[in-house]
Amino acid sequence: DQQVKQNSPSLSVQEGRISILNCDYTNSMFDYFLWYKKYPAEGPTFLISISSIKDKNEDGRFTVFLNKSAKHLSLHIVPSQPGDSAVYFCAASAGSNDYKLSFGAGTTVTVRA
Amino acid sequence: NAGVMQNPRHLVRRRGQEARLRCSPMKGHSHVYWYRQLPEEGLKFMVYLQKENIIDESGMPKERFSAEFPKEGPSILRIQQVVRGDSAAYFCASSRGGTDTQYFGPGTRLTVL
Repeated sequence: DQQVKQNSPSLSVQEGRISILNCDYTNSMFDYFLWYKKYPAEGPTFLISISSIKDKNEDGRFTVFLNKSAKHLSLHIVPSQPGDSAVYFCAASAGSNDYKLSFGAGTTVTVRA
Repeated sequence: NAGVMQNPRHLVRRRGQEARLRCSPMKGHSHVYWYRQLPEEGLKFMVYLQKENIIDESGMPKERFSAEFPKEGPSILRIQQVVRGDSAAYFCASSRGGTDTQYFGPGTRLTVL
């Protein structure tokens, strides 16, 4: 059973515009969320995280928003750059002390020049 | 500053053979995790190890799969008598402590003919 869902398998965006990636989860025990970025032939690279005590976390061009009541989070990338073209995975765990990450299937982002 | 190393990067086996996947954690990391990614799916947790100890193997199939992290040398994920359904990308991650960010290796892509 897929506890973390990324319903958009792909996203195409113009360079300089905003990329918005969405993620939904079903397990109410999840309270720590991460985004990973993956280039072909490489492993996932940690991007940004958020715990459930916050509804927003920002790091440079990347912002993650969390809506606990809707069990939904999103990643905003602004402005999008060609180097952002990659697969983005949403992951969740039951607290920052839980090592067991549950991943979504990923969203492939293509940034057009 | 080498990251997590995995080898081989690609492994082809015939049904019934054994597959051995190796993972060397980042320097200073003593916690290792194995994940499997089937086509069109997210990464799924398999096992969590510390040196000479299996901490959590709740994600491992009950038969044919085993993992170890000896005192010296890399962590090894072993799959005996492989079947076609074992074809997947196997990722290893490491962390400094059990609650710290996990850093992933490039993965081993196993193909069973």
